[in-house]
Amino acid sequence: EPEVTQTPSHQVTQMGQEVILRCVPISNHLYFYWYRQILGQKVEFLVSFYNNEISEKSEIFDDQFSVERPDGSNFTLKIRSTKLEDSAMYFCASRPGLAVTGELFFGEGSRLTVL
Amino acid sequence: AQSVTQPDIHITVSEGASLELRCNYSYGATPYLFWYVQSPGQGLQLLLKYFSGDTLVQGIKGFEAEFKRSQSSFNLRKPSVHWSDAAEYFCAVGVVGSRLTFGEGTQLTVNP
Repeated sequence: EPEVTQTPSHQVTQMGQEVILRCVPISNHLYFYWYRQILGQKVEFLVSFYNNEISEKSEIFDDQFSVERPDGSNFTLKIRSTKLEDSAMYFCASRPGLAVTGELFFGEGSRLTVL
Repeated sequence: AQSVTQPDIHITVSEGASLELRCNYSYGATPYLFWYVQSPGQGLQLLLKYFSGDTLVQGIKGFEAEFKRSQSSFNLRKPSVHWSDAAEYFCAVGVVGSRLTFGEGTQLTVNP
C-alpha cells in the first residue's frame, strides 16, 4: 500500500540552526501539507502546497518557515533559524486532488528537538 | 471559523467494555468529518470518514461513528474495546480544498 514517508524520524539541533525535514508524498497525489504537534497538544496546520506554490498557511508559518518541492517526489519543510518552541513532531500529509474526498494520508512524523 | 471540540481529554475503560468518544464541531459549510488514531510514537492513521449519505459510518478495527447534524456531533464508538486500542484519538473536520482542523484529542487507556 502506498504511503507517505518522512525523514529523519528524529532530529536534534541547536537553537539558531537551520533544519530541513523531508517528505515523499504518495506518488499520484497533488496536495501536500505540513502539520505539527507540540508534545501533549493538538495537531496544528502549518501549510498546504499545490501546483508548486503555497495554497494556504497558518499564522504559525512565519518567515522562518519555507516549503519546497525540489523535484517530482520530495516535499521539504525548512526552518531557517530554529527556536526552542519549534520542538515538536512534524507531520507531512498528502491527498490526491480536489475531486476526491478530503482524506489526508499522513506520514509517521519527524520529531524535532531544539536544544 | 471552523473548530472541533473533544470534551474528554482522557478516558479509561476496561477491556471488553464499550466505548464512545465525543466530537463536536462548528463549521459554516457541510463538513467532511474524520477520526484519526495515533499510537505512541506513531503517525496518524485514518479510522473512518464521513462525507455524505448514511450517517452511520463503519471504519477499521471495529470502530464506527455517527454523524448527527442537529447536534453538530460525530461521536466514535466501539462495542468492545481491546487492549490494543489504547491510543490517542483525534477528530478532524474539513471541506474540499481546505485544511483539516483537528480537535485536541482524547487519550484512551484500556485496563485489563
